[in-house]
Amino acid sequence: GENVEQHPSTLSVQEGDSAVIKCTYSDSASNYFPWYKQELGKGPQLIIDIRSNVGEKKDQRIAVTLNKTAKHFSLHITETQPEDSAVYFCAASVGNAGNMLTFGGGTRLMVKP
Amino acid sequence: NAGVMQNPRHLVRRRGQEARLRCSPMKGHSHVYWYRQLPEEGLKFMVYLQKENIIDESGMPKERFSAEFPKEGPSILRIQQVVRGDSAAYFCASLTLDAGDETQYFGPGTRLLVL
Repeated sequence: GENVEQHPSTLSVQEGDSAVIKCTYSDSASNYFPWYKQELGKGPQLIIDIRSNVGEKKDQRIAVTLNKTAKHFSLHITETQPEDSAVYFCAASVGNAGNMLTFGGGTRLMVKP
Repeated sequence: NAGVMQNPRHLVRRRGQEARLRCSPMKGHSHVYWYRQLPEEGLKFMVYLQKENIIDESGMPKERFSAEFPKEGPSILRIQQVVRGDSAAYFCASLTLDAGDETQYFGPGTRLLVL
């Protein structure tokens, strides 16, 4: 089955700096890659997603890039703010829309004021 | 439109008891997923259901665990004869696929503690 690796497991940045989180996946048939943000005591919330027919997607301060050949995708957060502090998860899904998500292990992002 | 609702939010059980976790999907969503999250880990898929049908239960332990999503009412994840290793956060997600929306929307989770 699919396996998703995520790095780093913790990331500390100064407010205003950029943060980059990287994920690799094993199944070349994966075609949907969402990113979730999880705050303490809450459920994951989707922040951005990308399909395999697109190389890059941007939404304000957040962007995701996908390299299908290398089977890796990355989350970029620019101009970080203290409220960006949370755990971020990447995920991958194989096949038809609606199939299960395989999650990475998570990255705890701390933005220092 | 209310989000995905889960109850209870916290559940304490003694070893050997049964745990019932409920999930009400977003309005109009007919696909439900259950995931388990151990402390400091990512979410692990358990089961995918549509109304009255189990689509994929490849992540569900073969014994003690069952799930249903009846025609009426919430989806239920049932854990019989709980053991300490069942302590985790259990998240439900729902999806519609209407208009090409393939986002899985997550509920706040149920935190199960087995004493």
